[in-house]
Amino acid sequence: DAGVTQSPTHLIKTRGQQVTLRCSPKSGHDTVSWYQQALGQGPQFIFQYYEEEERQRGNFPDRFSGHQFPNYSSELNVNALLLGDSALYLCASSPLANVLTFGAGSRLTVL
Amino acid sequence: ILNVEQSPQSLHVQEGDSTNFTCSFPSSNFYALHWYRWETAKSPEALFVMTLNGDEKKKGRISATLNTKEGYSYLYIKGSQPEDSATYLCAFIGGDNFNKFYFGSGTKLNVKP
Repeated sequence: DAGVTQSPTHLIKTRGQQVTLRCSPKSGHDTVSWYQQALGQGPQFIFQYYEEEERQRGNFPDRFSGHQFPNYSSELNVNALLLGDSALYLCASSPLANVLTFGAGSRLTVL
Repeated sequence: ILNVEQSPQSLHVQEGDSTNFTCSFPSSNFYALHWYRWETAKSPEALFVMTLNGDEKKKGRISATLNTKEGYSYLYIKGSQPEDSATYLCAFIGGDNFNKFYFGSGTKLNVKP
C-alpha cells in the first residue's frame, strides 16, 4: 500500500505565479484534506474534499482552490502567489472524519 | 476561531527521563482528540484517537489521557529514548463541524543520548 503520495516534493516560484500541487490518497480513502504548515506553526486546515466536492474550508482566501477527481486524487491550486504562501503543504486522506494519513508534503518557496 | 494550544513548545530531555506535555482545546462540542507524531523528514503518523472523557490510551512507553470536561489531554512518555525525538501534534475535532481537524502548533521533543 503506497499510502498518501504528493508531488512535487519541492518547488520554487516567484510572486504572482500560480502553482498546482497533487495528492493521491491512500487506497480505500475517499476524503482528502489539505493543510498549510508555516514555519513554527501547526498545520492549518485549508479545505477538505469528499465526493469531488469541497465540503469544508478553512480561513484561506479564494486564491486557494482545489479539485478532487473520480479516483479520489486531489489538486491544490494557489494563484497570484505571495511571499507568505511559502510553506509546507500537507495532504491527508481518511475515511470521512477518521484518522488522517499524511503525505510527506510539498515544500513551496515563493521568491 | 477555535484555539488548540500545546505546551511546552519544545522540550529537551535526557535518555531515560520521563516527560509529559499538554494539549488544551475547547470543552464544548467535543467529538474526538487525535495525537500525531511527526519525525523529521517523515509524514505525521497517528498515535492515538480519543473520544470519551476519561479515556486512557497506551502504546508501548507512550500513553495519553483525556479530559473533555475541562478541555485537555496529556501525553506521557516513560523512559524517553532518542527515537522518541519528534514533534507531537494534537488535533481537536469538534466545534460546529465534526469533519474539520484543528491542530495545535505541536511540542518538539528532543531526547539526548
